[in-house]
Amino acid sequence: AQSVAQPEDQVNVAEGNPLTVKCTYSVSGNPYLFWYVQYPNRGLQFLLKYITGDNLVKGSYGFEAEFNKSQTSFHLKKPSALVSDSALYFCAVRSNQAGTALIFGKGTTLSVSS
Amino acid sequence: DTGVSQNPRHKITKRGQNVTFRCDPISEHNRLYWYRQTLGQGPEFLTYFQNEAQLEKSRLLSDRFSAERPKGSFSTLEIQRTEQGDSAMYLCASSSPGRALNTEAFFGQGTRLTVV
Repeated sequence: AQSVAQPEDQVNVAEGNPLTVKCTYSVSGNPYLFWYVQYPNRGLQFLLKYITGDNLVKGSYGFEAEFNKSQTSFHLKKPSALVSDSALYFCAVRSNQAGTALIFGKGTTLSVSS
Repeated sequence: DTGVSQNPRHKITKRGQNVTFRCDPISEHNRLYWYRQTLGQGPEFLTYFQNEAQLEKSRLLSDRFSAERPKGSFSTLEIQRTEQGDSAMYLCASSSPGRALNTEAFFGQGTRLTVV
């Protein structure tokens, strides 16, 4: 069965510091990995995806994520956090052997303090 | 606004009543998904349409749930004989033609259902 783990319920960073939001996955077949962000009273917004190719993918708002096949991880990163990055972040995975449904993690709340 | 639109945004219903939600996807998107999200959890997949065909259904989609996309455009999700456990945010998403696995889904703001 496919699954996604986001081991931290909350991540706290100071503005200007680098941030990392962790994600590990378990799938049969090749993984297709996604990060989404959810602001209060707003829908999920797509940030970035890994399909194939370079392990480091860049996305919206200065976010990037690194795919690590051996560690089955897809951590979200940003070199310098902004207060406006504070939100709920979801990692999601699809597999080429398990249909088109996105399987989401439980989410990580990112809190950036000024 | 050309994003995914869901109506109503909020619905309060009494246990045992039927409810129906509507989703209007982005116009050129042929794929449409329904998800359910409860507090503290990530979205859980319910069902998937490609055009008007319902191609995937989750085991979460009990017999009381039915979804349609009759003309391959908007979709409806109906819950019959609602139970308190049905209280959740119901999310609709759509994605564009192309390889299904590659394309990201765009989500609506959801319909929050409260069953009292």
